[in-house]
Amino acid sequence: AQKITQTQPGMFVQEKEAVTLDCTYDTSDPSYGLFWYKQPSSGEMIFLIYQGSYDQQNATEGRYSLNFQKARKSANLVISASQLGDSAMYFCAKPPYSGNTGKLIFGQGTTLQVKP
Amino acid sequence: DVKVTQSSRYLVKRTGEKVFLECVQDMDHENMFWYRQDPGLGLRLIYFSYDVKMKEKGDIPEGYSVSREKKERFSLILESASTNQTSMYLCASSSRTIDRYFGPGTRLTVT
Repeated sequence: AQKITQTQPGMFVQEKEAVTLDCTYDTSDPSYGLFWYKQPSSGEMIFLIYQGSYDQQNATEGRYSLNFQKARKSANLVISASQLGDSAMYFCAKPPYSGNTGKLIFGQGTTLQVKP
Repeated sequence: DVKVTQSSRYLVKRTGEKVFLECVQDMDHENMFWYRQDPGLGLRLIYFSYDVKMKEKGDIPEGYSVSREKKERFSLILESASTNQTSMYLCASSSRTIDRYFGPGTRLTVT
């Protein structure tokens, strides 16, 4: 079965600094997408950013960007200028196979704490 | 601006009880999902439905069943709750695009 791996259970970052959250995946699909979600302590999952495997550029959404390295099968999330409100759990996810059924498989998650 | 709602945020049930978790979406999405979230394991798919009355098992369907009688509503049923089903349950819906929306989650405790 395809797997998403997030090797950092917990991370700390100082407010206003940048932080990188790691994500690696295995797949044999030629075309796929990668998602990052944020889960604050309230529990809801908030969509942050999406990267298509054939996208020419790394995805960017405001302070969020993806460091997408297709050959290494990694899609690390970079948060620039961290804010206290960024403290949350972050999940990397992708569909288990090509074709859009909406299903996602998730990594274990990384808990980020932003220190003032 | 509510999109996906779940019937309860917190639920406490006894072992052996039948438990219903309800999820409703207002976006006319075809696909709906039930995930279970446990520390260190991320989210795991229990069941999903791609149309009314259509369902498919996910990765961990044992001990669960689902019902989708109307497009907007997807119910997760624990036929006989057990303590190992204590967890956070998240419902989600999606169209045929990359858009996916999650509910606020139900934290279920089985004692």
